[in-house]
Amino acid sequence: GAVVSQHPSRVICKSGTSVKIECRSLDFQATTMFWYRQFPKQSLMLMATSNEGSKATYEQGVEKDKFLINHASLTLSTLTVTSAHPEDSSFYICSASGAGVYEQYFGPGTRLTVT
Amino acid sequence: GDSVTQMEGPVTLSEEAFLTINCTYTATGYPSLFWYVQYPGEGLQLLLKATKADDKGSNKGFEATYRKETTSFHLEKGSVQVSDSAVYFCALTISSGSARQLTFGSGTQLTVLP
Repeated sequence: GAVVSQHPSRVICKSGTSVKIECRSLDFQATTMFWYRQFPKQSLMLMATSNEGSKATYEQGVEKDKFLINHASLTLSTLTVTSAHPEDSSFYICSASGAGVYEQYFGPGTRLTVT
Repeated sequence: GDSVTQMEGPVTLSEEAFLTINCTYTATGYPSLFWYVQYPGEGLQLLLKATKADDKGSNKGFEATYRKETTSFHLEKGSVQVSDSAVYFCALTISSGSARQLTFGSGTQLTVLP
């Protein structure tokens, strides 16, 4: 099956710093990648959708200048949390789908803690 | 807009008990329906899916049938195991061009006791 990886799996950073999270499709070309945020004991909230080579489409209420998304290749998308604050602490999950791949395949998630 | 309503948890069962997690949906189009499972500290894994009415998705002893007349996709398992303890998400997607956005239910925490 299709495999999606995320790196890092956990990261702790200080308030005011920026953090980059990578999402990679390992065995298929991901024309579309999705970024989700999940709060404890809650469902996934879609943050943005990115198509390879295009600007990401952000959901209402998500600050695009704070959550920078780059999808420069068919196997890699990155989410950068800029000037992170404790309220940005969360579990971030990416997913990917591709040409001919109807489903979304999810990465294992990244636990971000901002101190 | 599209939405998914799931049975609220948490659900606690003894091993070998029967499981039902209810899921209903509203959608403007003709959705595909999914159940995802999330084990502690991990991302989501697709458990099963159904793409048209009366389809039955099944995997690892879990089943769900796409019921268009009742707009439901209830998850069932005849005999749960401790290893089934996880959070289960019902979801739908409606293809629109290249976008395959998923709409998730709120999730149901299942704990199976030995």
